[in-house]
This record gives sequence, C-alpha cells and structure tokens, in this order.
Amino acid sequence: DTAVSQTPKYLVTQMGNDKSIKCEQNLGHDTMYWYKQDSKKFLKIMFSYNNKELIINETVPNRFSPKSPDKAHLNLHINSLELGDSAVYFCASSTQGYGYTFGSGTRLTVV
Amino acid sequence: DAKTTQPNSMESNEEEPVHLPCNHSTISGTDYIHWYRQLPSQGPEYVIHGLTSNVNNRMASLAIAEDRKSSTLILHRATLRDAAVYYCILSRNSGGSNYKLTFGKGTLLTVNP
Repeated sequence: DTAVSQTPKYLVTQMGNDKSIKCEQNLGHDTMYWYKQDSKKFLKIMFSYNNKELIINETVPNRFSPKSPDKAHLNLHINSLELGDSAVYFCASSTQGYGYTFGSGTRLTVV
Repeated sequence: DAKTTQPNSMESNEEEPVHLPCNHSTISGTDYIHWYRQLPSQGPEYVIHGLTSNVNNRMASLAIAEDRKSSTLILHRATLRDAAVYYCILSRNSGGSNYKLTFGKGTLLTVNP
C-alpha cells in the first residue's frame, strides 16, 4: 500500500493547456504539501494544507491552485501551462513529531 | 529559516562508515535538525531528526554538537543503495501546522563498490 500516491507519474502537455495532479495519503497525517523540483534539482515548497485549510502559500503564480477536498487529498491544478512549469512536482504529508513522507513525484513536461 | 552548509559531494566505500557534516552556526534554540535523502528519480525520504541530543534509528545516527552549531549524519555501513543526495535542514517545529522544510543543495554521496 503506497503511503503517498500521486497521479499521473508523467504528464506531457502543450503550452496553454490546463492540467491537474492528484495526491492521496493513507497515513492519517493532518498536513499535506506540494513541492516543485526544477531542472537544477532545487526543491521548493509551494503550498501546505492542514486539515483542508491553506497554511503555507509561497510566491507561486496564481495559475497554480491547490484544492484539498479532505485531509487525505491535495490536488494541484495548473492553468495556462508555460514552458517554465516543466519540473517534477512532489506531494508530501506530515503530522506532529514525524518527518515528511513524500510521493514519488509527477514529471510535468510542457512543450 | 536558518541556513545550513554542507559539502557539495562526498565519496565512500561500500561497507564503511560515512560521516556527513552539516554546519548551522545561526541555529536558534527552537530549531530542529532534520536529515532527508533523495535517491535518483525518487522523492525525498526522511532519515532522522533531532533537537539537542544524539539520535539513533534503524537508518542512521545523528550526532549534534554541544553548541548545536553543527551536526553529523552517520551511516554506519554504507551500501550502494545509500548513494543519494543528503539534505540537512533546520525547521522551527517538527510536524503539525506551519511545518515547513526548506531544502538546500545537499551533499551528493557516491558509494564505491
């Protein structure tokens, strides 16, 4: 049973399209995150939700909109995709006193 | 978040211990020291974290200097599977709301057979 699962694993799409990435965790954690890892391999936090409430919102274009229907799910919707959005997006979850558990990533390629 | 400094890369031989250093001279009293690693083509993986005392778990040991301005991640017997980028991160809390990990460049560990 995968603890933090993301779908899809790979996503190739054209500029200007809208796409979504889904994330689910079955660990019972109360906080979920989206991170972006660019081509230089830097991992940057984008958003954090705690029990469906947005807690952290870093400087991210408003084309990116996270949605948390419940505390086990955190989806990322991206409008009007640009070439610079190409990256690996990681979902993660955590709870008090424990480390993050990351998903295996979604490699987004915008052409 | 306070900054950490790690060597860009290190090499080790299989089955030998590895000591990965991290400097964090501006650490505050409430900062936890976290270590994560990222194997090729995978998401980061939690390794260990601590506040003041040395910590051990099944993966590694964390040795924290008395003044907390540096720490060392110890892999007791390196295997090829330990080849990864290792990140040393400071965070104001450990879990729960507002728990944010800011990743730096990390140390690329190469393990030679």
